[in-house]
Amino acid sequence: NAGVTQTPKFRVLKTGQSMTLLCAQDMNHEYMYWYRQDPGMGLRLIHYSVGEGTTAKGEVPDGYNVSRLKKQNFLLGLESAAPSQTSVYFCASSPRTEYNEQFFGPGTRLTVL
Amino acid sequence: AQSVTQLDSQVPVFEEAPVELRCNYSSSVSVYLFWYVQYPNQGLQLLLKYLSGSTLVESINGFEAEFNKSQTSFHLRKPSVHISDTAEYFCAVILQGAQKLVFGQGTRLTINP
Repeated sequence: NAGVTQTPKFRVLKTGQSMTLLCAQDMNHEYMYWYRQDPGMGLRLIHYSVGEGTTAKGEVPDGYNVSRLKKQNFLLGLESAAPSQTSVYFCASSPRTEYNEQFFGPGTRLTVL
Repeated sequence: AQSVTQLDSQVPVFEEAPVELRCNYSSSVSVYLFWYVQYPNQGLQLLLKYLSGSTLVESINGFEAEFNKSQTSFHLRKPSVHISDTAEYFCAVILQGAQKLVFGQGTRLTINP
């Protein structure tokens, strides 16, 4: 099993450009999450999904959109990138259990110039 | 709302010395507790978790954490650290039945030879 994979690993954008980050999991997990990690701020939840076709806002959703058309995939979109979105983005998934242990992908390093 | 505080942003120690990384949480209801580790340029991996039962939980690489309900703490300890333990460590908490983890801001553990 590959676990949680993220595409791409690195990306450089210019301000105003758009892009989509792909997260895929092969563990048949119900829940999926997108986080951003910035120095000194830990992980902050952007959006999450509790099942195919559902999405919900997290702590810092502004400037991002998500879609979960298939259970195994969770897409994060930036419609008009800004320098403030320079960050490392992590995807995670978890089975639907009482304690929600999350499994993380390797991350995508995004720089917006 | 629940929150997690990691009291030290950085902890430098010498190799083979003991270490304690502190984590306090705030919640008025029962929670599950986790420690995740992030090695340089990688995603987060689960180090250990407290779900129920014995308040002392151990990982396979010598770390242990003790759940203290009265002090709302879940400190991480290792009696003798190795260079390979250099990483960032995140404490996280989730309410029973909730869908979202809440992370602390991380503690960077640096091991000096």
